[in-house]
Amino acid sequence: NAGVTQTPKFQVLKTGQSMTLQCAQDMNHEYMSWYRQDPGMGLRLIHYSVGAGITDQGEVPNGYNVSRSTTEDFPLRLLSAAPSQTSVYFCASRPGQGYEQYFGPGTRLTVT
Amino acid sequence: RKEVEQDPGPFNVPEGATVAFNCTYSNSASQSFFWYRQDCRKEPKLLMSVYSSGNEDGRFTAQLNRASQYISLLIRDSKLSDSATYLCVSRGNTDKLIFGTGTRLQVFP
Repeated sequence: NAGVTQTPKFQVLKTGQSMTLQCAQDMNHEYMSWYRQDPGMGLRLIHYSVGAGITDQGEVPNGYNVSRSTTEDFPLRLLSAAPSQTSVYFCASRPGQGYEQYFGPGTRLTVT
Repeated sequence: RKEVEQDPGPFNVPEGATVAFNCTYSNSASQSFFWYRQDCRKEPKLLMSVYSSGNEDGRFTAQLNRASQYISLLIRDSKLSDSATYLCVSRGNTDKLIFGTGTRLQVFP
């Protein structure tokens, strides 16, 4: 199993550009989540999904959209990038409620 | 006030030393707790869950004190490879994970 994969590994955007961060898992996990990690802030939940077709907002959802059309994929869309969205983004998955969470390798995003 | 608070460190310790980290949480409804390890520029990985009775995994011991709302991680006989950031994590009744900002450990020869 590849586990949780994320692409791209690095990305530089200009303010106002849009892009999609890709996340996929091959473990048939129902739950998937997106976090951002900033210095001094810890990991913060952006959006999450408890199954295909079901998504919900986390702690910091503004400026981001998600969809979950398949169990495997959970892309994160930045609608109009802002410098405040410069961060490291981690996708994570787990089989269900109460289980261990597995993280992808992260995407380092810089918005200039 | 952050829901999960940790001393950011760094803790600089020699090989073979014993080091302990504490973490406090503010939500008394938190149901379970974990320690994750994060290497520099890598993703977090689960180190161990924390049980009410305390639990041990090799050189690592985790303790939970619900009355005082803190958890701890003790590392015995530190190795160079233990150098990392250790994240304290709580899970509330909504099943969401709340992460602390991490405590950095540097083990030197």
